[in-house]
Amino acid sequence: KNEVEQSPQNLTAQEGEFITINCSYSVGISALHWLQQHPGGGIVSLFMLSSGKKKHGRLIATINIQEKHSSLHITASHPRDSAVYICAVVWGADGLTFGKGTHLIIQP
Amino acid sequence: DTAVSQTPKYLVTQMGNDKSIKCEQNLGHDTMYWYKQDSKKFLKIMFSYNNKELIINETVPNRFSPKSPDKAHLNLHINSLELGDSAVYFCASGRGGVGKNIQYFGAGTRLSVL
Repeated sequence: KNEVEQSPQNLTAQEGEFITINCSYSVGISALHWLQQHPGGGIVSLFMLSSGKKKHGRLIATINIQEKHSSLHITASHPRDSAVYICAVVWGADGLTFGKGTHLIIQP
Repeated sequence: DTAVSQTPKYLVTQMGNDKSIKCEQNLGHDTMYWYKQDSKKFLKIMFSYNNKELIINETVPNRFSPKSPDKAHLNLHINSLELGDSAVYFCASGRGGVGKNIQYFGAGTRLSVL
């Protein structure tokens, strides 16, 4: 079993702020996913990482395999970034465990 | 064209009934998934299906059964519905085995059991 913890659970910030969401896990993994769930309920995959760092627009995801930790950063945050951000870890032969999500609100 | 489509979007039914949710993907992916999102928004994998290999989360009751008529479809059949089955169910697809690549999600089916 892989325990996945996300922090913070809730985050409210002002437009333009730099945002960091953290994900830690207990058992070694082969990959980690970051997902975004819009207020309307739709889910979009943002990144899949197995090492290092990935960037897409204003979003940056990093992973430290030794420390069993990943971060999702949002630069120049905007109200449209308001969503729930979920990490999911891939482990063992076919294990896939989700964090409980971080509810982000960006105020104008 | 929607990449991963699931129907219906909403399903309201009585306890004890049997119901199905359909999922189709037109992305040519070889792996499909069913997820359950509970009232606290926690996502949990129920099944994955890859090249005719079904991987089941052992915590899923056997009242739930996935059926895949072909690689593009993975339907979810639920027998003897219970109140606790009320949730949003998401279908997804991807390439390779479980979690090996980016997944594409359907819009979800909100199931309410009365």
